[in-house]
Amino acid sequence: NAGVTQTPKFRILKIGQSMTLQCTQDMNHNYMYWYRQDPGMGLKLIYYSVGAGITDKGEVPNGYNVSRSTTEDFPLRLELAAPSQTSVYFCASSYLGTGGVGRSGNTIYFGEGSWLTVV
Amino acid sequence: GENVEQHPSTLSVQEGDSAVIKCTYSDSASNYFPWYKQELGKGPQLIIDIRSNVGEKKDQRIAVTLNKTAKHFSLHITETQPEDSAVYFCAATFRGGGADGLTFGKGTHLIIQP
Repeated sequence: NAGVTQTPKFRILKIGQSMTLQCTQDMNHNYMYWYRQDPGMGLKLIYYSVGAGITDKGEVPNGYNVSRSTTEDFPLRLELAAPSQTSVYFCASSYLGTGGVGRSGNTIYFGEGSWLTVV
Repeated sequence: GENVEQHPSTLSVQEGDSAVIKCTYSDSASNYFPWYKQELGKGPQLIIDIRSNVGEKKDQRIAVTLNKTAKHFSLHITETQPEDSAVYFCAATFRGGGADGLTFGKGTHLIIQP
């Protein structure tokens, strides 16, 4: 039972380089999310998706892009890496979204994280 | 958008004592409040959640209370054990610009002293 799997676990990038953080889930969840976590801070939502083919911006989308071609995969792309993007990135998924009183199935499951350093 | 404040940032308690972590939220439309535990080098893991139509929920040594009027919710851990040492995050549903997902507090580092 893999859950949410992220790769790579660690990466060092040079300023201006590009890379893609991979995320896949095997729980047939509709919703997927990308968060970043900075030291001493909570998690900030970067992008989310409510299903294949649909993506939306979260709180801090600048400098990132996402795609959702399948239910299982939700890659996060950094086009021109900047030092401000040094962070820990978490992919997450849930069967339903988080809104709605009385709705079930909206537990969000997180991956193990990807540590990214931009130098 | 939603704003979630969490206190304290660090909490040290003796093993066997109780620990309480408090959060406040700003958006009165928020209706889902989970708590996550994050161990070193791991992703956050849901430990308990509560919806706005419930005032209290318990699961063994863990309980969460919600005061909608005051926009407060709290995590209570009784009979603390060494394995409870971790960072705990509260969260609330995010309302703003059509975005879904959660707004998180900044976390509480809980230290259980032997």
